[in-house]
Amino acid sequence: QVQLQESGPGLVKPSETLSLTCAVSGYSISSGYYWGWIRQPPGKGLEWIGSIYHSGSTYYNPSLKSRVTISVDTSKNQFSLKLSSVTAADTAVYYCARRVLEGAFDIWGQGTMVTVSS
Amino acid sequence: QSVLTQPPSVSGAPGQRVTISCTGSSSNIGAGYDVHWYQQLPGTAPKLLIYGNSNRPSGVPDRFSGSKSGTSASLAITGLQAEDEADYYCQSYDSSLSGRYVFGTGTKVTVL
Repeated sequence: QVQLQESGPGLVKPSETLSLTCAVSGYSISSGYYWGWIRQPPGKGLEWIGSIYHSGSTYYNPSLKSRVTISVDTSKNQFSLKLSSVTAADTAVYYCARRVLEGAFDIWGQGTMVTVSS
Repeated sequence: QSVLTQPPSVSGAPGQRVTISCTGSSSNIGAGYDVHWYQQLPGTAPKLLIYGNSNRPSGVPDRFSGSKSGTSASLAITGLQAEDEADYYCQSYDSSLSGRYVFGTGTKVTVL
């Protein structure tokens, strides 16, 4: 079955860049679908960060667009997130997920907690 | 701040029916964009419960149903069970601010 797994540092210093990778197994990213990142601050709700197609086409949440870069590596069957100039407000559990045609996110990774602190 | 509003909490006894509302506007639900629902058990990732307003993915019990009307949508849980105690989120697309996927504020369901 399709599985997603996030990886990356759990602690990032303020003003630095947060970098995460989502490894996809059981499905080739090149076959289609959009792939996205969603985050959840502790005790709060969900926020969509952005999504990417296997071709590299991206679209981002306007509120984060100036700081976000999402890229895809089809040879490694994974996609990545970079969020620059982080502050404590970026502390959250970061999820990667697959987006289906109707716009829903049908498969999610387990999530990875990222804390922004010096 | 989310553009989709949900009640913070709902509760019911086992076997009862509860509903969760998701109120949007003319730039999201009212514009015809689909509404999806997720269940998030404590400490776990969200799980897709309903997609395309009223469709259940394979494996989701038919106790869960979704509907949409105007600028709002609803999730109903019938025959409430202890395992249904979780947070529930609606999600749609919003065409304002260059377009973005948006989630509801979330609702905690408590089984009494």
